[in-house]
Parts: sequence; structure tokens; C-alpha cells
Amino acid sequence: QVQLKESGPGLVQPSETLSLTCTVSGFSLTSYSVSWVRQPSGKGPEWMGRMWYDGDTAYNSALKSRLSISRDTSKNQVFLKMNSLQTDDTGTYYCTRDATGSWDYWGQGVMVTVSS
Amino acid sequence: DIQMTQSPSVLSASVGDRVTLSCKASQNINKNLDWYQQKLGEAPKLLIYFTNNLQTGIPSRFSGSGSGTDYTLTISSLQPEDVATYFCFQYNSGDTFGAGTKLELK
Repeated sequence: QVQLKESGPGLVQPSETLSLTCTVSGFSLTSYSVSWVRQPSGKGPEWMGRMWYDGDTAYNSALKSRLSISRDTSKNQVFLKMNSLQTDDTGTYYCTRDATGSWDYWGQGVMVTVSS
Repeated sequence: DIQMTQSPSVLSASVGDRVTLSCKASQNINKNLDWYQQKLGEAPKLLIYFTNNLQTGIPSRFSGSGSGTDYTLTISSLQPEDVATYFCFQYNSGDTFGAGTKLELK
């Protein structure tokens, strides 16, 4: 069955770089796109960026200068790197399967706290 | 960027009520709108895609409608398990969520 699972550090120092991994199973990264979505506690979700099935990427314009998304299809993994983290980057980070605009499967999410 | 405005922000209703949640886009989004349900401590779940298509496994009491800038999610008969926050999401241009409607039991 389709599964996505995020992994990465729960605590990041201000100004440091966040690195997250999304490991997928049950579908191919060359057939489906994967998006990263984050959600501050008590607020609505925010789309961060997308790894298209063909290897292209798209980013939220507000985050584009700090964000990089890549993949390793042999390992069924999608990676997120975001630099210059600040306290308002604290929240839950999800990866989702992107079925042409609709996100039909989500990972459980990973809580990231930016604090010294 | 397209802005999505949801109303009301909080809705209290009784079991069995017909409930209507609204979402308004700042410009025409050509029905490129989904609805997600998020229960406390869980990831969002896709309910409705492309305005009015019920995702597999979602109860038929949920339905969506709308066009242009105005969209609606309707629950025909509210059940206790429907207590959640509901987000609309547009993917016509960029990808943006509304701020959500928190649905509570009266």
C-alpha cells in the first residue's frame, strides 16, 4: 500500500539548515510527484515545494531562495533542504503524494522546532 | 498570489445538522479546488477533489460544489466523527490553503 514517512531532526538551531527525508513505498517517484507541506501549530498548512515525477521542481515563491528539493529514485526518497531557519519555521513538516493537484496520501509528519 | 478566505472560522452544529462551509478565492480558480479534513494530531485527509469529486472511502454525506471564486463543502447530516478543521486548497495558480473552518459539536 502507499506510504510516505518523513524523517529528520526534531530540533534545529536558528540560522542553521533543515534537512528532511521522505521515504515512499507503494508507488514510483517517476509516476507521481511529491510535495512538501508545513504547518505551524494551530495554523493552516503551507505548500513548500514539489518534486515533479519527471524530476523537475517547483517552489513556493516565499521560500524559493532558501529551499531545495531533490530525490533519489533508486532509494525511493525525496529530500528537502532549507537554510537560514528562524523560529517561525517551527511546525510540522509533511510530505504528500501529489496526484495532479490533489494530495491523496500524506506522511505522519515530523515536528521541527527551531530554537537555541 | 491567490488568497483563499474560509468562513466561518468556527462553526458549532448538532449531530444530524446539515452543515455548509464556504471558501472564496481572490480570483477565478476554474474549479481547481480540493477540501481537506484535519483531526487533532493527524495529517490532513483529502475529502473532495476538483470541487465536487468524492475521494475514495469518504462517506457520501460529504459533497462539494462551486465555480469561479465561490466554493462550498456540505455535510448532509453531521456525525460526531466529523469534528475537525476543514481546509480548502486551490491549485489553479500556485498552491494555497485557506485558514480553515473549525467544526465543533453544539
